[in-house]
Amino acid sequence: EVQLVESGGGLVRPGGSLRLSCEASGFTFSSYAMYWVRQAPVKGLEFVATISSNGISTYYANSVKGRFTISRDNSKNTLYLQMGSLRPEDMAVYYCVRGNAAAEFDYWGQGAQVTVSS
Amino acid sequence: DFVMTQTPLSLSVTPGQPASISCKSSQSLRHNDGKTYLYWYLQKPGQSPQLLIYEISSRFSGVPERFSGSGSGTDFTLKISRVEAEDVGIYYCMQAIDVPYTFGQGTKLEIK
Repeated sequence: EVQLVESGGGLVRPGGSLRLSCEASGFTFSSYAMYWVRQAPVKGLEFVATISSNGISTYYANSVKGRFTISRDNSKNTLYLQMGSLRPEDMAVYYCVRGNAAAEFDYWGQGAQVTVSS
Repeated sequence: DFVMTQTPLSLSVTPGQPASISCKSSQSLRHNDGKTYLYWYLQKPGQSPQLLIYEISSRFSGVPERFSGSGSGTDFTLKISRVEAEDVGIYYCMQAIDVPYTFGQGTKLEIK
């Protein structure tokens, strides 16, 4: 069974940093691109970042470019999102999502809540 | 970026009746490889989104046959042949032809 479990969410002050982790199981993690997608309160879904299966290629939404870094450790089956210079508008539930060339975004984690407030 | 526009934004349906959601893209989602990268997701209350339909009309594993997708180029439709109580939630279309992938605003389905 494919499972994606996020952790690391919490309350952080504006300008602060936070690192999210996503532990994957039930599939060959190193074979899949991975994504972070976020959902602000009572809002829709927004692409945040993606990383290729081997970790070499990354892409970021303009809204987070230069502040967030996506990375992965295939030996630990874990995806990361390092978030810096956090702003109130970054407050959201962050989902870890599996990419799949055949059926994109086929599995989602349960989400990690990030609250940015002073 | 590709802009995805859904209509309607909310829908109230009697159980057993059909429902239809439209999704329009600002540019064609048909790739040179012949595939069209349009997806549909359902976010049930309190849950993460779940994949319903990929590449316009292919149902994901375990998705009931009452869900169907159609369309081409820039215009797409999700249809539910007979709505059931468990279908409540917010439906999103998404384009995956180019990063950043973008979503429609969402359509909230309620049961009358």
